[in-house]
Amino acid sequence: AQSVTQLDSQVPVFEEAPVELRCNYSSSVSVYLFWYVQYPNQGLQLLLKYLSGSTLVKSINGFEAEFNKSQTSFHLRKPSVHISDTAEYFCAVGGYSSASKIIFGSGTRLSIRP
Amino acid sequence: GAVVSQHPSRVICKSGTSVKIECRSLDFQATTMFWYRQFPKQSLMLMATSNEGSKATYEQGVEKDKFLINHASLTLSTLTVTSAHPEDSSFYICSAYTDMNTEAFFGQGTRLTVV
Repeated sequence: AQSVTQLDSQVPVFEEAPVELRCNYSSSVSVYLFWYVQYPNQGLQLLLKYLSGSTLVKSINGFEAEFNKSQTSFHLRKPSVHISDTAEYFCAVGGYSSASKIIFGSGTRLSIRP
Repeated sequence: GAVVSQHPSRVICKSGTSVKIECRSLDFQATTMFWYRQFPKQSLMLMATSNEGSKATYEQGVEKDKFLINHASLTLSTLTVTSAHPEDSSFYICSAYTDMNTEAFFGQGTRLTVV
């Protein structure tokens, strides 16, 4: 069975400050890891994903996440946040086939203060 | 990226009626589609997994007779909430998965309100 834990339900930060959203996963098999972002009353958008290869993956809007197998973590970071980054962020884990479910963490609400 | 269209985006229905939600992959063929339910300020809970031409696989605790899923083609899956009640009010999101991209693409969600 797979599971995802997001320890922080809410993370308030000031604009232009750095942020880290934590994610730990549990799985008995190799998995893919994802971060999704959800703006109010909208669906999910893929922010970035780790499939294989380099453990550091980056998105086009400045976020990055590092896969750490020994710590079973996939924390999301951004060195300087913007007001527009205010959203709900979900960490997710999926298996290696189309039959594999994507399991989501409980989400972290990132709120940016001016 | 690939586009998944979910319709309607919002629906209000009376208690006891049925509501159908469509999920379409517009520019790719989806080998698998997933249906999720999201309560306010909570995470997405997987309801069922559907593969084209076969019966959906429901998660534990999800009533298959209440939430009917039909996956008629590689580009269309529907979720019908039968005999809806106020407690069925929620945000429903579908996702479509293809082996080609090793990721799932999500629809914009449907907010169902049962009055």
